[in-house]
Amino acid sequence: AQSVAQPEDQVNVAEGNPLTVKCTYSVSGNPYLFWYVQYPNRGLQFLLKYITGDNLVKGSYGFEAEFNKSQTSFHLKKPSALVSDSALYFCAVRGENFNKFYFGSGTKLNVKP
Amino acid sequence: DADVTQTPRNRITKTGKRIMLECSQTKGHDRMYWYRQDPGLGLRLIYYSFDVKDINKGEISDGYSVSRQAQAKFSLSLESAIPNQTALYFCATSDLTVLGTDTQYFGPGTRLTVL
Repeated sequence: AQSVAQPEDQVNVAEGNPLTVKCTYSVSGNPYLFWYVQYPNRGLQFLLKYITGDNLVKGSYGFEAEFNKSQTSFHLKKPSALVSDSALYFCAVRGENFNKFYFGSGTKLNVKP
Repeated sequence: DADVTQTPRNRITKTGKRIMLECSQTKGHDRMYWYRQDPGLGLRLIYYSFDVKDINKGEISDGYSVSRQAQAKFSLSLESAIPNQTALYFCATSDLTVLGTDTQYFGPGTRLTVL
């Protein structure tokens, strides 16, 4: 079965500090992994994806994510958080042999000044 | 978001009413999806379509139906709305790349309240 877990409902970080939003997955075959961000009253916006190649993927707004096959994880990171990064973040996975995406339950990121 | 539009953006209706949510896209993508978002549950797939003649059920299709009128249009209907269908509904599109994968692009959402 395909699934995604985001173990933290909420992450709090001070502005300027590094942030990590965690994601683990379960999928048959090679995974295609995605991060999306949702601002209030908006749809989901694509941040970055891992398909193949370098395990460190760079995306929009200074975010990056590290694919770790042995730990089946794809954690989202940013070296220095901004207050404007406060939003709801979703991890998603699709197996290479499957046509559907599976989303995690979301993690609310709060960045305090 | 402007490439994928949803109407209406907000709707309040009563139990038993038939409701249609519409989605249009100008991205030229073949694949379209309908999701619902509930607090703490993330996004759950209702229906998806890979072309005009292809309609597939997602994980929570009961109580919903869809129509793919054209490549650019994908409508979601609630035949007889019930209160537990109160949620935020998202339409998304995607298209396969040469690597055999796709990225989804989402509309702004429709907030539906069933009284």
